[in-house]
Amino acid sequence: SQQGEEDPQALSIQEGENATMNCSYKTSINNLQWYRQNSGRGLVHLILIRSNEREKHSGRLRVTLDTSKKSSSLLITASRAADTASYFCATEDSGSRLTFGEGTQLTVNP
Amino acid sequence: DTGVSQDPRHKITKRGQNVTFRCDPISEHNRLYWYRQTLGQGPEFLTYFQNEAQLEKSRLLSDRFSAERPKGSFSTLEIQRTEQGDSAMYLCASSSGVEQYFGPGTRLTVT
Repeated sequence: SQQGEEDPQALSIQEGENATMNCSYKTSINNLQWYRQNSGRGLVHLILIRSNEREKHSGRLRVTLDTSKKSSSLLITASRAADTASYFCATEDSGSRLTFGEGTQLTVNP
Repeated sequence: DTGVSQDPRHKITKRGQNVTFRCDPISEHNRLYWYRQTLGQGPEFLTYFQNEAQLEKSRLLSDRFSAERPKGSFSTLEIQRTEQGDSAMYLCASSSGVEQYFGPGTRLTVT
C-alpha cells in the first residue's frame, strides 16, 4: 500500500491562480520529496524537505512539513499552463527507498 | 544528454515470454533504483543497488523478477514468464546522494 496519500486527487485552476496539494504519510521519515510527472515523461524532482525542517521555498514552490501531523503541503504560486502535470509526494525512511503517494493531477487552464 | 536512459522505451510481449530491460544511470551515481508504476498510481519500489551490490528488494519482486548491476554501471531487469499483471511502466532512477534522478521508463504491455 502507498505510504503517502495526496489530496485532492485532481485539481483544476485558471492560469495565475495558486495551487495547493496536500500529502499525508504514516511512518517516520528522513525527508519528504515532491516530484512532477508530465504525460509521457519521467519524474522530475522538484523539492526536498528534511524531517527537521518546517518550510522550504524554491522559485514559485513552497513546501511545508508537519511531522507531528505526518503531513506536507506543496503550494505553486502564479500557476502557468506548463505546470499541468501529476504531482507526487515521496517519503524516504532510513532504507533509502522512496515511497510515493498516488498523486494529484493538476490542470492549469489558460 | 547525460541523464538516466532506459531501453527499450516500449515493449509488447505475449504472456509467458521473458523480457529484459536496461537502465544506464548518470555516470557518477553509485546508487540505482527500479520502480514500477501502473496507470493512475504512484511508482512502487522494486529494488536498489549500491554499486554492484543489490541491497534491498521489495516483496513485489517475485521469483520471476531478477535484477543485476554487474559492474556497478548499467543495470538490467528481467521478467520471466510474463503475466498480464506485469503490464506497467518500469522506471529506473540513480542517485549519488538523496535526490533520485529518473529515466523516461520502459512501458511493458503483456498481451
